[in-house]
Amino acid sequence: NAGVTQTPKFQVLKTGQSMTLQCAQDMNHNSMYWYRQDPGMGLRLIYYSASEGTTDKGEVPNGYNVSRLNKREFSLRLESAAPSQTSVYFCASSEVGRFRVPYNSPLHFGNGTRLTVT
Amino acid sequence: QQQVKQSPQSLIVQKGGISIINCAYENTAFDYFPWYQQFPGKGPALLIAIRPDVSEKKEGRFTISFNKSAKQFSLHIMDSQPGDSATYFCAASMDAGNNRKLIWGLGTSLAVNP
Repeated sequence: NAGVTQTPKFQVLKTGQSMTLQCAQDMNHNSMYWYRQDPGMGLRLIYYSASEGTTDKGEVPNGYNVSRLNKREFSLRLESAAPSQTSVYFCASSEVGRFRVPYNSPLHFGNGTRLTVT
Repeated sequence: QQQVKQSPQSLIVQKGGISIINCAYENTAFDYFPWYQQFPGKGPALLIAIRPDVSEKKEGRFTISFNKSAKQFSLHIMDSQPGDSATYFCAASMDAGNNRKLIWGLGTSLAVNP
């Protein structure tokens, strides 16, 4: 059981380049999330998707776009990377979804993508 | 606006000692309080969680103490081991229409010296 798989694990971009971070989960979860983690700033929600076909902004959506390709996959795209987007990006999933809101559904995280923008 | 305040930012404990991490929240609508543990190079993983109708929950060496009137909760790690060295995040969750809203503390980096 792979859980949440993120690719790539590491990436270096030049300012202005674009890239897509991929995430897939095999737990049949409804909701998926993208977080960024920076030293001293904890985990900040970028975007989330409560169900296939829906996406919503989180705390820090500027400079990012997302696609919920199907129930398994949720991608994060940086159209024009900036040094401020240097971070570790985590994808997560949970059972919580549009028509079912169990309070105790934990988030299951992938192992992250370390992105450096120079 | 930081709605869940976590302290300390870092903590060093000797092997066998007790590690204590504290969190405070403001919004009384929160109804579920999980703790996540993160090892270097890995994503966070749920460690233990509590609801506000319970004052304490224990799982092995890990205990959550919850004080509803003070709007505070804490994680106690008894007999701390070097393998407990990790970053710990508290969080608070509430209903948000058709979804759940999860607010995170900023994390505590715990180092347990052998």
